[in-house]
Amino acid sequence: AQSVAQPEDQVNVAEGNPLTVKCTYSVSGNPYLFWYVQYPNRGLQFLLKYITGDNLVKGSYGFEAEFNKSQTSFHLKKPSALVSDSALYFCAVRANTGGFKTIFGAGTRLFVKA
Amino acid sequence: GAVVSQHPSRVICKSGTSVKIECRSLDFQATTMFWYRQFPKQSLMLMATSNEGSKATYEQGVEKDKFLINHASLTLSTLTVTSAHPEDSSFYICSAKDSMNTEAFFGQGTRLTVV
Repeated sequence: AQSVAQPEDQVNVAEGNPLTVKCTYSVSGNPYLFWYVQYPNRGLQFLLKYITGDNLVKGSYGFEAEFNKSQTSFHLKKPSALVSDSALYFCAVRANTGGFKTIFGAGTRLFVKA
Repeated sequence: GAVVSQHPSRVICKSGTSVKIECRSLDFQATTMFWYRQFPKQSLMLMATSNEGSKATYEQGVEKDKFLINHASLTLSTLTVTSAHPEDSSFYICSAKDSMNTEAFFGQGTRLTVV
């Protein structure tokens, strides 16, 4: 069965500092991995995905994520946080063995202080 | 990126009535659409997956007679909450993907309040 864990409910970081939002996953076979961001009372916006290839994936708004197969992790990173990055972030996983069912983590709320 | 439009963004209805939520893909053909429910400060719970022209596949524990899903065209799926009750109040989000892309794109969500 697929599962996603986001171990931190909340991450606090000062503006200009690097940020990391953690995600680990469990899936049969090779995973498709995604990060989405959600602003209050809005749907989710796609940030980036890992399908295959380079373990470092670059996405929207300066975000990137590193796929680590041995640690089954897909942490979201940004070198320099902005106050406007404050939002709810979801990691998601889907097996590539057929079907499109995507499982979401519980979400991590990011607060960036000015 | 691809655009998914969900309507209405907010709706308040009385107990016992039915509410329809629309999800449209504006610039691509959505071969697969997904409906999620999100409780306050919680993650998204997948309710059902629908492929165009086929019956929806519901997740375990989701009442298909209560949450009617129709995916009649490649650009439109609807979720109808029948005989709504206060416990159905929630944030409902749709997403859609085409046959080419691996990621799905999300609508802006619908806040349903049943009074």
